[in-house]
Amino acid sequence: DGGITQSPKYLFRKEGQNVTLSCEQNLNHDAMYWYRQDPGQGLRLIYYSQIVNDFQKGDIAEGYSVSREKKESFPLTVTSAQKNPTAFYLCASGTDTNTEAFFGQGTRLTVV
Amino acid sequence: DQQVKQNSPSLSVQEGRISILNCDYTNSMFDYFLWYKKYPAEGPTFLISISSIKDKNEDGRFTVFLNKSAKHLSLHIVPSQPGDSAVYFCAASSYNFGNEKLTFGTGTRLTIIP
Repeated sequence: DGGITQSPKYLFRKEGQNVTLSCEQNLNHDAMYWYRQDPGQGLRLIYYSQIVNDFQKGDIAEGYSVSREKKESFPLTVTSAQKNPTAFYLCASGTDTNTEAFFGQGTRLTVV
Repeated sequence: DQQVKQNSPSLSVQEGRISILNCDYTNSMFDYFLWYKKYPAEGPTFLISISSIKDKNEDGRFTVFLNKSAKHLSLHIVPSQPGDSAVYFCAASSYNFGNEKLTFGTGTRLTIIP
């Protein structure tokens, strides 16, 4: 089945540690996105990538890093520089900006 | 600066009645609008969309209306069912302006009362 997979579903990390969230898609989509959801804030764009080896900062990129070495994969690293990393992270992919993006199931990151 | 706004954080509707969710936007360059539905701890799923060249798009129980002059769109669900209870996000993009990303509203939590 085609789809977009995020892992793990729940992640706990100690403060000050970097952590990498996985996102894989087998939909042959060119574009991939990372969003963050906080209560009352909706979905805010962290980073996005339109093609392999290229990515752009979204609205809240500080404290995050990404890579796009393969079309299928767009991992997100939450670094120790991110001041408030506890959130629900959503990865999405799409073929065209004018059509719907397909979302993964999300990863809930809790930093203790 | 919130370019896409959903001013009602929550809405309760009796089962079988019409649910109307509203969304306002400020960027006149937006030309494509989408609604997503989200259950707790899951990713959003696409529901329905509308291009700025239309003022209405219907898909089963779901209809989206676009009023470009008012920069307002709404999602109508009729009849409302218990499974419709979820958070609904409005999103917009401006493909023709080269802005290749979706801008989301803050969401409205819809509760259908049996």
